[in-house]
Amino acid sequence: DSGVTQTPKHLITATGQRVTLRCSPRSGDLSVYWYQQSLDQGLQFLIQYYNGEERAKGNILERFSAQQFPDLHSELNLSSLELGDSALYFCASSLTGEGSDEQFFGPGTRLTVL
Amino acid sequence: AQKITQTQPGMFVQEKEAVTLDCTYDTSDPSYGLFWYKQPSSGEMIFLIYQGSYDQQNATEGRYSLNFQKARKSANLVISASQLGDSAMYFCAVGGYQKVTFGTGTKLQVIP
Repeated sequence: DSGVTQTPKHLITATGQRVTLRCSPRSGDLSVYWYQQSLDQGLQFLIQYYNGEERAKGNILERFSAQQFPDLHSELNLSSLELGDSALYFCASSLTGEGSDEQFFGPGTRLTVL
Repeated sequence: AQKITQTQPGMFVQEKEAVTLDCTYDTSDPSYGLFWYKQPSSGEMIFLIYQGSYDQQNATEGRYSLNFQKARKSANLVISASQLGDSAMYFCAVGGYQKVTFGTGTKLQVIP
């Protein structure tokens, strides 16, 4: 158990809908990362937050947004969902948010868009 | 810019044998970290081992060791005495200033 929690574990929804994925980092970690893992794209970095502020942005679509709250939990919002958004979404946390700091991953949320 | 290359999409190893998973990297950051993660079929990402770019000795964690050759920009993972439970995808990653990049992974299968 990495100490990072993600809810829900599975999510099935329809095209055009909006969903919210939730992540709680390990106790003491200030930074949260979001990744998307699909069969054809591998593990793609989406976005990083550090202590409530956006720190780095990766291949995140405009239909996706995220935030980190004062209690350090984070939410990833996915809207106008498309079939291609079906993937495993991981949240990870690290202590300092520096790239050289190890990240600990949550169990992931498996999103299926029908 | 950062880049990770894992050239072995799949590998087989006999149980109890050692296996080396290859990883080469490229980064413009003067200080960086190298990581290996394991992803079993259940899907979770498990942190295995870390090597800092200024660490003089190769990192070891139980049966895992990281063969770090800085001049060659390689960070191979060595798993000794393979077990059936080692069958999984293995990802190499490089982390520098505010950025981490993952490789495409190597699927390891341990044969009884």
